[in-house]
Amino acid sequence: SQKIEQNSEALNIQEGKTATLTCNYTNYSPAYLQWYRQDPGRGPVFLLLIRENEKEKRKERLKVTFDTTLKQSLFHITASQPADSATYLCALTDNTGANSKLTFGKGITLSVRP
Amino acid sequence: DTEVTQTPKHLVMGMTNKKSLKCEQHMGHRAMYWYKQKAKKPPELMFVYSYEKLSINESVPSRFSPECPNSSLLNLHLHALQPEDSALYLCASSQDYGRVSINHEQYFGPGTRLTVT
Repeated sequence: SQKIEQNSEALNIQEGKTATLTCNYTNYSPAYLQWYRQDPGRGPVFLLLIRENEKEKRKERLKVTFDTTLKQSLFHITASQPADSATYLCALTDNTGANSKLTFGKGITLSVRP
Repeated sequence: DTEVTQTPKHLVMGMTNKKSLKCEQHMGHRAMYWYKQKAKKPPELMFVYSYEKLSINESVPSRFSPECPNSSLLNLHLHALQPEDSALYLCASSQDYGRVSINHEQYFGPGTRLTVT
């Protein structure tokens, strides 16, 4: 069966450090992978999209890598700030057909200590 | 304007009530979605509309009835809900659906917090 795994539920780090969040998947042939941020009681906010033929994408302090051999994406936040505290969700779209719905992982809750 | 709006923000309804959730976007997006999210769980897809036609119904019970009156509006009609239907209901939109050649990032609204008593 298809699975998206974000293995830790929570990550606590000190302000200024780099946060690294992991997303693993099985039985997907993803056309692309997305990362979203969600604050409590709010809708997810799109952060970055990376395609299957891309290794890395950057946006300001954010960096995403995508390894289709390892079936893994890493999401990095450099120089983390308390305002980065939120739940981060990875999401996949399978490219096996027209039914290209987005499926979310459970998310990882990041807490950045001042 | 990259905003998706949803009304109401909060809704409390009894099991015999009929209510509607509303969603609106003015980004020219041709795909719109309804998701359900329970606490500490990821959003789960309910329905997808593409070019105002229902493309996906994820086996959602008939007590939830979606409607897409035009390309900017999406409604979710609720009738005879159960307490377990209490959740955050999220609307989202994207440029298109079903074509892997274009970006499919989704823009979410703030959600409607639904409580069924």
